[in-house]
Amino acid sequence: NAGVMQNPRHLVRRRGQEARLRCSPVKGHSHVYWYRQLPEEGLKFMVYLQKENIIDESGMPKERFSAEFPKEGPSILRIQQVVRGDSAAYFCASSPPNGNTGELFFGEGSRLTVL
Amino acid sequence: AQKVTQAQTEISVVEKEDVTLDCVYETRDTTYYLFWYKQPPSGELVFLIRRNSFDEQNEISGRYSWNFQKSTSSFNFTITASQVVDSAVYFCALRRGAGGTSYGKLTFGQGTILTVHP
Repeated sequence: NAGVMQNPRHLVRRRGQEARLRCSPVKGHSHVYWYRQLPEEGLKFMVYLQKENIIDESGMPKERFSAEFPKEGPSILRIQQVVRGDSAAYFCASSPPNGNTGELFFGEGSRLTVL
Repeated sequence: AQKVTQAQTEISVVEKEDVTLDCVYETRDTTYYLFWYKQPPSGELVFLIRRNSFDEQNEISGRYSWNFQKSTSSFNFTITASQVVDSAVYFCALRRGAGGTSYGKLTFGQGTILTVHP
């Protein structure tokens, strides 16, 4: 049962450290999305990637955040020099190449806590 | 711009009561999709339903039903005979229908916390 796999599930970092969150999409899915859920809020779109390409990063903060989806391996969301405001749940979702119906398959999320 | 409003922040009911979760959306698109997701205490997001803007038929799935009304831009969700296991945060979401780069980009509401007491 290879759904969207995210790790780590929980990550604790001190201010100024780097956080790396990984996402393996459903097998055969070539589209990956990252969403952020701040405490007691809904999910906010961050970035949409296809293999080796960033398609839409309109929701990404301009600094410190980056994402990639290499030809081999998982998608990575990287947050440099974390601050307390980065504490949130980060969800990855994937969809198949022809999935124009918009159904996304979500992972269980990675919860980042910045001390 | 797209917007989804879930005005009910929290709802508390007793088991077996019916409960309706409201969702109002704003979009200038003529083609769009609406979704409901459930987020149980464990944190994952569970897909419940997708509805496209050309299909206003109401849908029923077991104890769940959805009422889509374009005239009022609403997509409400009703749970009949609620159970404790229904306790979760429920999110309504909207997506443009244009395809291409838009199709995974959902606009979520703030969510409604539903607590069902035994």
